[in-house]
Amino acid sequence: DAGVTQSPTHLIKTRGQHVTLRCSPISGHKSVSWYQQVLGQGPQFIFQYYEKEERGRGNFPDRFSARQFPNYSSELNVNALLLGDSALYLCASSSGQFSYEQYFGPGTRLTVT
Amino acid sequence: AQKVTQAQTEISVVEKEDVTLDCVYETRDTTYYLFWYKQPPSGELVFLIRRNSFDEQNEISGRYSWNFQKSTSSFNFTITASQVVDSAVYFCALSEAFTGANSKLTFGKGITLSVRP
Repeated sequence: DAGVTQSPTHLIKTRGQHVTLRCSPISGHKSVSWYQQVLGQGPQFIFQYYEKEERGRGNFPDRFSARQFPNYSSELNVNALLLGDSALYLCASSSGQFSYEQYFGPGTRLTVT
Repeated sequence: AQKVTQAQTEISVVEKEDVTLDCVYETRDTTYYLFWYKQPPSGELVFLIRRNSFDEQNEISGRYSWNFQKSTSSFNFTITASQVVDSAVYFCALSEAFTGANSKLTFGKGITLSVRP
């Protein structure tokens, strides 16, 4: 079975622009979570979606939004990009809503110039 | 609030040495889960282990072993006879079960392990 897939792999954007990152979970997994990993730090929780509903939001500004589609894939949107948004964005899927093993995708490396 | 502390930032060992990666956590919940992930240079986080707060039994998987001690709020990870392929960043993470409606992971800052031939 395919693992978690994310697209694109790399992205370069300019300050003020908007970006959309995509994630496809492992087949059968209904939960998708998004994390931001700044260089040299551990991943920080942004959102969790389960059964197409937001189940959790981390301490991120409203410029960050996400959604989950009927096929359980997910998009993360970031508006009005800042230099500080440059990071590796990781998507994780799990079979359930609570504390199951989360399997991570390869990430999208976003660079804001 | 939950917190994970990985006080070691970088560890360098020679191949075949044993190495222990430390993890200390803070939580007010009585039910929680602890995890270890490996992040090789490719960037993808690889799941290694999950333990729940009610299971303090140590676990061994090949060259990997984990020591969970609730009395000291620690969940340490030992690699026996390290190999060059073990070189990576290792993260310890905590999830508070049934708090809120999600399984948010709180990660430590990671430990960079370098294994020299």
